[in-house]
Amino acid sequence: GAGVSQSPRYKVAKRGQDVALRCDPISGHVSLFWYQQALGQGPEFLTYFQNEAQLDKSGLPSDRFFAERPEGSVSTLKIQRTQQEDSAVYLCASSHGQGENQPQHFGDGTRLSIL
Amino acid sequence: KNQVEQSPQSLIILEGKNCTLQCNYTVSPFSNLRWYKQDTGRGPVSLTIMTFSENTKSNGRYTATLDADTKQSSLHITASQLSDSASYICVVSATGGGNKLTFGTGTQLKVEL
Repeated sequence: GAGVSQSPRYKVAKRGQDVALRCDPISGHVSLFWYQQALGQGPEFLTYFQNEAQLDKSGLPSDRFFAERPEGSVSTLKIQRTQQEDSAVYLCASSHGQGENQPQHFGDGTRLSIL
Repeated sequence: KNQVEQSPQSLIILEGKNCTLQCNYTVSPFSNLRWYKQDTGRGPVSLTIMTFSENTKSNGRYTATLDADTKQSSLHITASQLSDSASYICVVSATGGGNKLTFGTGTQLKVEL
């Protein structure tokens, strides 16, 4: 497809389980971003990749959150030992270049619910 | 710390009417300001991106303005349509921030017949 694709669209997990969320960016896009969006709030930055390099992970809320992009394309956001406060929509975005005025193209997100 | 405040929190207008959404921001040093539209259950879609030197930018029926002195921006929607019902989010980015975006909480717009 032409856009950013995220899977699964919905994920329900029990507290304490590990989850993995996938992002397929637009082909050829160098930069990839993960955001967390709580209900009724704007997205909040989690982490940023330029190709395979994770250049900024300052937004990851705890060491239970881990992201990777090993080949500079598909990215996975992993959450270990999930907690109820991890329930949110996780959005992935990609941009063609690394310039600061590049538009970011978003996927439709993965809605994560922790029971 | 970069911050974005938007008003009103929600707004209901009749189809065909115009409306203006407001955004106040704090970001240093300023790189750009964006407006996104987010439909329920979907990812945000970019409407406009403005740098420091731009004080207005249009995208169809959407016109954004930027006053870098007062750190304010507005999004004007002309001749609203039912499909304009969505959340409109103001977003800022700082120079040297690696294109990391700071989002407001959005204005929830509902257009009714």
